[in-house]
Amino acid sequence: EAGVAQSPRYKIIEKRQSVAFWCNPISGHATLYWYQQILGQGPKLLIQFQNNGVVDDSQLPKDRFSAERLKGVDSTLKIQPAKLEDSAVYLCASSLSGGTGEQFFGPGTRLTVL
Amino acid sequence: DAKTTQPPSMDCAEGRAANLPCNHSTISGNEYVYWYRQIHSQGPQYIIHGLKNNETNEMASLIITEDRKSSTLILPHATLRDTAVYYCIARNDYKLSFGAGTTVTVRA
Repeated sequence: EAGVAQSPRYKIIEKRQSVAFWCNPISGHATLYWYQQILGQGPKLLIQFQNNGVVDDSQLPKDRFSAERLKGVDSTLKIQPAKLEDSAVYLCASSLSGGTGEQFFGPGTRLTVL
Repeated sequence: DAKTTQPPSMDCAEGRAANLPCNHSTISGNEYVYWYRQIHSQGPQYIIHGLKNNETNEMASLIITEDRKSSTLILPHATLRDTAVYYCIARNDYKLSFGAGTTVTVRA
């Protein structure tokens, strides 16, 4: 079974530029999550989708971050404009459904903002 | 979700059992104890979870105290590939609230 795919794996940008990350969840998984992991910390949930609807985006900095999952499958997370403090690994995860089911994580995208 | 407390780091000898403690003194009755680990440059990986009974799978064993205020993850025969950050999470819904975890280093 293919795992969660993410691209790119690494991205370096200047502050105030924009960037987008892509995630393709495990086939059949209705729930998709985006996490931000700052160096030395555990991952922090940014947004959760159930199919193509947002369940929880309470931790998403909506002035600069946006995410979509238009067809209920793959998803894009965008930052515009980026700040230095956005340097982190952005992890995508998926699960069959919400609730306490196991979440499967992708390898992440490491973003460096200069 | 209840807060969990883990030691920041621990070492373990290859081939020996690794016992990872976790305190969750404010855990509520409907919160499960979950363990994930994160190997360097990878996403977190599910290990095991339990409510009040001890659990075992092919990766590890989870021992939860009778009062549920603490638990121990046991890796029975640690290998170098078990070097990772291990996260203990008290969970009752979709949220996984990761703390800083325990950095486990398995030494040859």
